[in-house]
Amino acid sequence: TQLLEQSPQFLSIQEGENLTVYCNSSSVFSSLQWYRQEPGEGPVLLVTVVTGGEVKKLKRLTFQFGDARKDSSLHITAAQPGDTGLYLCAGGNNDYKLSFGAGTTVTVRA
Amino acid sequence: SAVISQKPSRDICQRGTSLTIQCQVDSQVTMMFWYRQQPGQSLTLIATANQGSEATYESGFVIDKFPISRPNLTFSTLTVSNMSPEDSSIYLCSVGSFGNEQFFGPGTRLTVL
Repeated sequence: TQLLEQSPQFLSIQEGENLTVYCNSSSVFSSLQWYRQEPGEGPVLLVTVVTGGEVKKLKRLTFQFGDARKDSSLHITAAQPGDTGLYLCAGGNNDYKLSFGAGTTVTVRA
Repeated sequence: SAVISQKPSRDICQRGTSLTIQCQVDSQVTMMFWYRQQPGQSLTLIATANQGSEATYESGFVIDKFPISRPNLTFSTLTVSNMSPEDSSIYLCSVGSFGNEQFFGPGTRLTVL
């Protein structure tokens, strides 16, 4: 089993502040996904990164894949209460299965 | 992305009974997956269910406890058998897509008394 470690486990910030969530592994992945999950719902795919060093932006969210394809980060600029949720990173390889990190619970206070 | 529905959305069951969870997809997909998730926790893969073959179970999960059916390319079921309170969890189905991406159903919240 390939392990993905996420940090921090919990994050509580004020609206308008920035935050970064980290996802680290000792294993190389062919792709890495970030998901957000809200209570009572399934995880929703935010982004997929596949190239080492790749940076993708989705409005106020910036995702980076490490050069060695072992780690990733998610940065949110000017967080809003709607960003509240459980953020999960997941790494995949050629067997189409995903290994999920433990998750980061983000709370943005108005 | 595919639209995925699950039934039931939640249930409360007595120990020793079984519950079958349905997963319906609005398009034909080859790979489907079943996960278990404790509230606020990460996802643990139970099994991979590909149409036309037996489900492949992950370590710690067995067919007698979690039988899976995959009768066609748009539907799958997961049964949680002989339930105990330890089976209380959220059960999620997902479908595989290009580039290891997966799309998830809304989940079934199971409470076993």
